[in-house]
Amino acid sequence: GAVVSQHPSRVICKSGTSVKIECRSLDFQATTMFWYRQFPKQSLMLMATSNEGSKATYEQGVEKDKFLINHASLTLSTLTVTSAHPEDSSFYICSAFLGPGNTEAFFGQGTRLTVV
Amino acid sequence: KQEVTQIPAALSVPEGENLVLNCSFTDSAIYNLQWFRQDPGKGLTSLLLIQSSQREQTSGRLNASLDKSSGRSTLYIAASQPGDSATYLCAVGTGNQFYFGTGTSLTVIP
Repeated sequence: GAVVSQHPSRVICKSGTSVKIECRSLDFQATTMFWYRQFPKQSLMLMATSNEGSKATYEQGVEKDKFLINHASLTLSTLTVTSAHPEDSSFYICSAFLGPGNTEAFFGQGTRLTVV
Repeated sequence: KQEVTQIPAALSVPEGENLVLNCSFTDSAIYNLQWFRQDPGKGLTSLLLIQSSQREQTSGRLNASLDKSSGRSTLYIAASQPGDSATYLCAVGTGNQFYFGTGTSLTVIP
């Protein structure tokens, strides 16, 4: 089946630094990728929709200047958490659809971010 | 906005028992519904995808049903095994995004 690879799986960073998370579609081209965040004991919440070659669409309440999304190619989207704070510690996960008209979602393995 | 609820939040059963997980959603205008499994600290594994025109899907010991008009889906797990222990999430697809429930944490006791 389709594979979405996310890297790194775990990262610990100091407050004030930036962290980049990569999401790759390994055997298909993804014009659209999605970034979710999951806090402990809570559901996954959509942060933004990443569109190849254009600006990402952010959900209400998500700071676009803090969570920078770049979708430079059909197989790679990146999420950069800038000036990270402890409250940004969370589980971040990306997903992609196989293509236009295909609405089955495939998810990356997720990234556990801890800001100390 | 679509709201997805999963009941129960946690479930503990002895090995071999059949069980049902419930998912309800508020807006019946959906594209599909997908059930996932999430192991602690890990990503999501897709279990079953039901298109809006379908009533159920089966994969091995798993059977998922969808009643779009009443806003409900169930995931039936037959002959549960300790390896089934995980959090099960349902997600309602609108065509361009998914709305997730908070999950049911399942523990199967050997």
